[in-house]
Amino acid sequence: SQTIHQWPATLVQPVGSPLSLECTVEGTSNPNLYWYRQAAGRGLQLLFYSVGIGQISSEVPQNLSASRPQDRQFILSSKKLLLSDSGFYLCAWERGQETQYFGPGTRLLVL
Amino acid sequence: GENVEQHPSTLSVQEGDSAVIKCTYSDSASNYFPWYKQELGKRPQLIIDIRSNVGEKKDQRIAVTLNKTAKHFSLHITETQPEDSAVYFCAATYTGTASKLTFGTGTRLQVTL
Repeated sequence: SQTIHQWPATLVQPVGSPLSLECTVEGTSNPNLYWYRQAAGRGLQLLFYSVGIGQISSEVPQNLSASRPQDRQFILSSKKLLLSDSGFYLCAWERGQETQYFGPGTRLLVL
Repeated sequence: GENVEQHPSTLSVQEGDSAVIKCTYSDSASNYFPWYKQELGKRPQLIIDIRSNVGEKKDQRIAVTLNKTAKHFSLHITETQPEDSAVYFCAATYTGTASKLTFGTGTRLQVTL
């Protein structure tokens, strides 16, 4: 069966510091991968998606970036965090079946 | 792009009653509509979905209906239980190479005893 991991689970970072969040999927190959952000008490906003290694599409202009160095690895990064980057970051996968399955998420607090 | 509106934002029902959550979408090309349940501090979990070639789908106490002409879809929960209390999100997408879900703003359902 398929499993999706995210780490770290929680993160507290100062403004201006860099960020790296990691997502990995097990039990499938060539998945489509997605990064969403959920602000406190709000809905989910799609940030990036990837249909293959090295292929990244951005949905929202911001100071975040994404990379996919391996088939089942998706990384979300920032060079300098802003206060507005705080939120619950969720990675999701799907494989041509439309249904997206979410990882456990990373709760980021920027101070 | 797609825009999804969801109502109500909060809903309180007594245990055993039914709950209905409604969503509208803007892009007539959208063809896949999932519903997710999110408990406090947890990841969203898919509870039911429907594709545009189907008008209604049911899974035990949960059903979803889709009206393509009016561009709206609804979640129906019957015989609600306290464990149904959570935030529910609808979403819509056109399924191509990737499925870029656009989510509604969520409905907080509270089932009281």
